[in-house]
Amino acid sequence: DGGITQSPKYLFRKEGQNVTLSCEQNLNHDAMYWYRQDPGQGLRLIYYSQIVNDFQKGDIAEGYSVSREKKESFPLTVTSAQKNPTAFYLCASSIYRRGGYEQYFGPGTRLTVT
Amino acid sequence: GDSVTQMEGPVTLSEEAFLTINCTYTATGYPSLFWYVQYPGEGLQLLLKATKADDKGSNKGFEATYRKETTSFHLEKGSVQVSDSAVYFCALTSGGSNYKLTFGKGTLLTVNP
Repeated sequence: DGGITQSPKYLFRKEGQNVTLSCEQNLNHDAMYWYRQDPGQGLRLIYYSQIVNDFQKGDIAEGYSVSREKKESFPLTVTSAQKNPTAFYLCASSIYRRGGYEQYFGPGTRLTVT
Repeated sequence: GDSVTQMEGPVTLSEEAFLTINCTYTATGYPSLFWYVQYPGEGLQLLLKATKADDKGSNKGFEATYRKETTSFHLEKGSVQVSDSAVYFCALTSGGSNYKLTFGKGTLLTVNP
């Protein structure tokens, strides 16, 4: 089955440590995205990538970094510079279909930093 | 910039009640409009979409009509079930960034038996 895999589902880290969240897709989609979800705030775009070896900052990129070395993979690193890293992180990929782009989401990783 | 405004929740209904969740938007150009659903602890699932004015998106008994004149895309269902309990997000893509989604804040729906 095609889909988007995020691992792990829950992640715990100490303050001051960098942590990398995994996102893999086997949908053959070109574009991939990272969102952050906080209670009552909806989803906010962190980074996105339209093609391999290229990515752009979203609305809240500070304190995060990404890479896109393969079409299937788009890992997100939460650095120690991110002031409030505890959140639910969602990865997505998209395809142009039926007159517009459709984004499909992974199951998410809940990061807790203490 | 682009924005989406949804009715604030939570919304609590009894099973078989009629559901409406209001969504209005502002956007540059001609947006595509979406509704996503998120069940507890999970990612988002695309529920339905519409790409041009007067289009009606529908799926699993849910419907929404793209109203350009009122810049709205309200979600409706005639008879909700307990299994419809979830958070619903209205979203859009538009203009030169037509692959980037702008989301509303979400509306929590709880359906009681």
